[in-house]
Amino acid sequence: QKEVEQDPGPLSVPEGAIVSLNCTYSNSAFQYFMWYRQYSRKGPELLMYTYSSGNKEDGRFTAQVDKSSKYISLFIRDSQPSDSATYLCAMSAGGFKTIFGAGTRLFVKA
Amino acid sequence: SAVISQKPSRDICQRGTSLTIQCQVDSQVTMMFWYRQQPGQSLTLIATANQGSEATYESGFVIDKFPISRPNLTFSTLTVSNMSPEDSSIYLCSVEGFRSNEQFFGPGTRLTVL
Repeated sequence: QKEVEQDPGPLSVPEGAIVSLNCTYSNSAFQYFMWYRQYSRKGPELLMYTYSSGNKEDGRFTAQVDKSSKYISLFIRDSQPSDSATYLCAMSAGGFKTIFGAGTRLFVKA
Repeated sequence: SAVISQKPSRDICQRGTSLTIQCQVDSQVTMMFWYRQQPGQSLTLIATANQGSEATYESGFVIDKFPISRPNLTFSTLTVSNMSPEDSSIYLCSVEGFRSNEQFFGPGTRLTVL
C-alpha cells in the first residue's frame, strides 16, 4: 500500500462547478499537508499549505484535513478553464521528507 | 517565493551519454532538492543537496548515477550518467520555503533518452 493514495482521474467538470479533490494516507505522523497545482510542462506550484487538522480557505480554494480519517481534500469553487491542471497532494511528518500523491488531472470545460 | 530556473528545459540524448542539469535560484537557500517525475507517477526525491556538504541520496539512487554539485547557496547541478531509456523523465529541482516542509519548484527538465 502506498503511503499516499490519490485518484489520477481525469476529472472533467463544466465551468462553474464545485470540484472536490481528495487524498488518503496511511502514516499517522503526517503533520504538514500541501496541495500543488501543476500546469502542463511546468513545475508544481504551491497552492495550499495546512498544518495539522482543520480547514483553510484562500479565495476559491478550500483545503480540509481530517487526521482521524487520514483524509485530505481540496475544494475549488466556481471552477474556471484556467483551473485545468494536475493537482498533487503532498504531506510530511517533518524533516524535509515530503511524500507526494500521483496527482489528479482536472479538466474544466468552458 | 523564490524564483527558480532550470537549464536545459528539455533534451533528447543518446543511450550511454550523460546530461548535466542546472538549477539557479534568485535568493540564497540552504536546502535544495532534486526530484524525478515519471509519467503518471508521483514525484520521487532523488537527493537533498546542502551547500558545503555531500548530497544525501534516497533509497534507490546512487551518487555514481546521479552526481550532484552544490557550489554555493544559489546554484546546484544534477548529472544523469550513463543514461538509458529508463531515465527518460522530468527532473525537477526545488528549494525550501519559509514554512516547514514548504517547497518551491523549478520548471523542470524534460529528458528523453533514445
